[in-house]
Amino acid sequence: GAVVSQHPSWVICKSGTSVKIECRSLDFQATTMFWYRQFPKQSLMLMATSNEGSKATYEQGVEKDKFLINHASLTLSTLTVTSAHPEDSSFYICSAWDRRGSYEQYFGPGTRLTVT
Amino acid sequence: DAKTTQPPSMDCAEGRAANLPCNHSTISGNEYVYWYRQIHSQGPQYIIHGLKNNETNEMASLIITEDRKSSTLILPHATLRDTAVYYCIVSKGYNYGQNFVFGPGTRLSVLP
Repeated sequence: GAVVSQHPSWVICKSGTSVKIECRSLDFQATTMFWYRQFPKQSLMLMATSNEGSKATYEQGVEKDKFLINHASLTLSTLTVTSAHPEDSSFYICSAWDRRGSYEQYFGPGTRLTVT
Repeated sequence: DAKTTQPPSMDCAEGRAANLPCNHSTISGNEYVYWYRQIHSQGPQYIIHGLKNNETNEMASLIITEDRKSSTLILPHATLRDTAVYYCIVSKGYNYGQNFVFGPGTRLSVLP
């Protein structure tokens, strides 16, 4: 199957700072990528849908000014958590939609964010 | 809310078949059934998907009832590495403007 990578795999930052997470589709072009958040012992919650060359669509309750998403190319989407706080500590997972005829999403390995 | 219901947990003996059920009684005609699994602290891994017919690949088999209101994922010879949370998702796919909604899934424990 298609490969999606994320960088970094884990990051620790201080409260009030910003952190950027990258999501790359390695062997296909992804016009659409998705960002999910997963708290411990919970399921994945969709945060936003990222389309190449346009603004992201955020789910209800997700602050778009806090979670900045940029999808500047067909292989890269970034999520920036601005002014991070301890409650933003979570597992962030991206996925990419491969439109070459299949309908499934391919997920990255996730990024563990800890805000101290 | 997720459109599927799954048992919260299941055990399976190593080497035996693991049969994971999923109810999706409100599924519409053009919605697919997808199965993903998530091993601890990793991103979800695609397993299989289907529309009406039963499907099989190198990882698993998917059996969908004739009325499409339920399905079963079968791991034919479970190994310890199959211990994970398994998610059953119903969706038309993003191609038709529908995102994935993850429920709590089934935590499968494969026992030695």
